[in-house]
Amino acid sequence: GNSVTQMEGPVTLSEEAFLTINCTYTATGYPSLFWYVQYPGEGLQLLLKATKADDKGSNKGFEATYRKETTSFHLEKGSVQVSDSAVYFCALQKAAGNKLTFGGGTRVLVKP
Amino acid sequence: EADIYQTPRYLVIGTGKKITLECSQTMGHDKMYWYQQDPGMELHLIHYSYGVNSTEKGDLSSESTVSRIRTEHFPLTLESARPSHTSQYLCASSELSGQRDGELFFGEGSRLTVL
Repeated sequence: GNSVTQMEGPVTLSEEAFLTINCTYTATGYPSLFWYVQYPGEGLQLLLKATKADDKGSNKGFEATYRKETTSFHLEKGSVQVSDSAVYFCALQKAAGNKLTFGGGTRVLVKP
Repeated sequence: EADIYQTPRYLVIGTGKKITLECSQTMGHDKMYWYQQDPGMELHLIHYSYGVNSTEKGDLSSESTVSRIRTEHFPLTLESARPSHTSQYLCASSELSGQRDGELFFGEGSRLTVL
């Protein structure tokens, strides 16, 4: 079946540090891939997505590239801020119309 | 900003009580979902709907029930709450198809505590 594996948190880093959150997936074919973010006390919101191999999704300084050869969609940001403290979820959609499969979430804490 | 609303945001209730968590969206989305979120953050799909009068059970078995009588409304009901139902419940919606398929809009969640 489909699955998404994320690195376990919490990830604690200082302001302006480089952030990477690893995400790998298992699925046949060419799923669409997503990153969602959940800020404290809120629901999830879409951060970025990629729908085909080698696509790069980007938003708010975050980037992730769809790597079919390594079945990965790692999230990166060059210089984090305290306001980036949140839980990040990687997800896949195997085919159009299908439900999403979420990873377990990675908590990120950015200290001033 | 997403136009999907959940009430109540917080609820503390005694064992055996009946509760209904409300979820409404004003985006005209056909698909709606209920997720249960662990304290460890993991999301579990418990119910979903692809339109009026359509409801399906999700990947995690739940004693709750849902209904979809109107497109914009997707309430979740627990007939007899138990401490094991204590959790955060997140409602979401999405378009049925098209370019934004897979883009879920989430409410802020309902945190339920059963004593």
